[in-house]
Amino acid sequence: AQSVTQLGSHVSVSEGALVLLRCNYSSSVPPYLFWYVQYPNQGLQLLLKYTSAATLVKGINGFEAEFKKSETSFHLTKPSAHMSDAAEYFCAVKANQFYFGTGTSLTVIP
Amino acid sequence: DTAVSQTPKYLVTQMGNDKSIKCEQNLGHDTMYWYKQDSKKFLKIMFSYNNKELIINETVPNRFSPKSPDKAHLNLHINSLELGDSAVYFCASSQETANTEAFFGQGTRLTVV
Repeated sequence: AQSVTQLGSHVSVSEGALVLLRCNYSSSVPPYLFWYVQYPNQGLQLLLKYTSAATLVKGINGFEAEFKKSETSFHLTKPSAHMSDAAEYFCAVKANQFYFGTGTSLTVIP
Repeated sequence: DTAVSQTPKYLVTQMGNDKSIKCEQNLGHDTMYWYKQDSKKFLKIMFSYNNKELIINETVPNRFSPKSPDKAHLNLHINSLELGDSAVYFCASSQETANTEAFFGQGTRLTVV
């Protein structure tokens, strides 16, 4: 069975600080993993995806994620938070459908 | 040239009414989905269609009925609306290929009063 767990439903960081959003997956097959961002009153937008080509994946807006098979993790990071990064972030794994985590709300403090 | 478009964006209706939400994708994808997002932002799959055929039907009340007239459209009809149906409903599409992402519509905020 496939699933993802996002630790921390709310994360607050200061502007300019490191952003770290955690995602652990459970998958019986090689996983295809995704991070999405949802801004208020909008749909989900793809930030990045892991498709086994490289373990470090770079996405849009300066975000990146590292696939660690030994830790079954796919944490999302950004070196320096910007006010515009405040949003809801979802990790997902794809099998016959997309299985989404419960989301992490990121607040950026000026 | 919106990739996945759904209408309406907002829908306010009374309990007991019947309403529909429409979704269209112009990406040539073969799979379409309906998700429900509750007030805590949790995303729950409701239905999935592949080339007009229902492939996923999660435990949702049978008041919810999806219809796919062709592979570019997936509409959601809801009968006898209840207060608990209030949520944001998202349509999405993807290719069936495992490593491809889903593209989401902007959502329909349904409020039942």
